[in-house]
Amino acid sequence: DTAVSQTPKYLVTQMGNDKSIKCEQNLGHDTMYWYKQDSKKFLKIMFSYNNKELIINETVPNRFSPKSPDKAHLNLHINSLELGDSAVYFCASSLRTSGGETQYFGPGTRLLVL
Amino acid sequence: GQNIDQPTEMTATEGAIVQINCTYQTSGFNGLFWYQQHAGEAPTFLSYNVLDGLEEKGRFSSFLSRSKGYSYLLLKELQMKDSASYLCAVRDPGYQKVTFGIGTKLQVIP
Repeated sequence: DTAVSQTPKYLVTQMGNDKSIKCEQNLGHDTMYWYKQDSKKFLKIMFSYNNKELIINETVPNRFSPKSPDKAHLNLHINSLELGDSAVYFCASSLRTSGGETQYFGPGTRLLVL
Repeated sequence: GQNIDQPTEMTATEGAIVQINCTYQTSGFNGLFWYQQHAGEAPTFLSYNVLDGLEEKGRFSSFLSRSKGYSYLLLKELQMKDSASYLCAVRDPGYQKVTFGIGTKLQVIP
């Protein structure tokens, strides 16, 4: 009964490949996020969806495309993977976008591009 | 945008008190969070401040001064399991985006 789950936990792939990471939350939250944490441990927002609608889209290459089929799921598809995409990708969710709503993070997906 | 500064590393002794500072310069402000992240794990929520003052929660307390763009996280009676990174994060009022600082890696030694 994990609150925010991600698959896969580890992903090793070759440069140029296309891959997807899946995220699901069973908390009944309206808002979901994707973060990237690089080798320097800097956690940076990539995207946010509120009730399946994109509300935050940071300066991210358009090789990254999020998809939210319903408010409990937010998947991340990455085309033409590059070495610099190697990082830990965290999915998170919060009840709403406003106020002091805590974000609950998934366990992370460790992506290594060779 | 947001600019958040916090020390990159700190060391403290088991049983002691440690204060981790965070300063921010922002184009807007709608609250400040502290998260704890153990190595190889996801960040977990510790505290949220939106008004000036001190919020206490067990061994952890968080302080905010909006006029000074300053917050601190106070950890009392340090335990070895408190060794982790502590992330300061500021909520933007526009898109409700949360921007994280680089994090302070705290090492608790016996």
